[in-house]
Amino acid sequence: GAVVSQHPSRVICKSGTSVKIECRSLDFQATTMFWYRQFPKKSLMLMATSNEGSKATYEQGVEKDKFLINHASLTLSTLTVTSAHPEDSSFYICSASGWTSNNEQFFGPGTRLTVL
Amino acid sequence: RKEVEQDPGPFNVPEGATVAFNCTYSNSASQSFFWYRQDCRKEPKLLMSVYSSGNEDGRFTAQLNRASQYISLLIRDSKLSDSATYLCAVKGQTGGTSYGKLTFGQGTILTVHP
Repeated sequence: GAVVSQHPSRVICKSGTSVKIECRSLDFQATTMFWYRQFPKKSLMLMATSNEGSKATYEQGVEKDKFLINHASLTLSTLTVTSAHPEDSSFYICSASGWTSNNEQFFGPGTRLTVL
Repeated sequence: RKEVEQDPGPFNVPEGATVAFNCTYSNSASQSFFWYRQDCRKEPKLLMSVYSSGNEDGRFTAQLNRASQYISLLIRDSKLSDSATYLCAVKGQTGGTSYGKLTFGQGTILTVHP
């Protein structure tokens, strides 16, 4: 299957700082990328869907000004958690899909964010 | 009602046991169905897609019942390495605003013990 990378894999930051997470599709063009959040022992919750070159579509209850998503190229999407607070601590996972991947979603390895 | 509901578990079974997970979905227009496996602190990995005719991959069998809106996963001859969280996922209808979106169930923890 296709490969999706995420960076960083783990980040610890102080409350009030902003954190940027990168999601890259390494061997296919990702026309769509999805960002999920997963709290301990809970399921993956979709935060937003981003299509290359256009604004992301956010799920209900997800603040677009707090979780900034940029999908400027067919291989890169970024999620910026602005002014992070301890309640933002979670496992953030991206997935990518595109015509070359038969629209199957391939998941990145996830980023574990801890806000102190 | 949640869009996708799954057996809460956890399931603790001995090696060699057969275990079944069920998952129901609320949107009758859903197009595609999947089972994922997620190991602790890792991303979910696709285990198998679920087709209307049912499909089998080795010890794993997946079934879809569109009339009752549920999918199931059967694991035969459980191995220690099958211990993981199993998530069902449903993909939205083609062309709708939910197209391409995967909605996951809450996951069922399976522990296979010696």
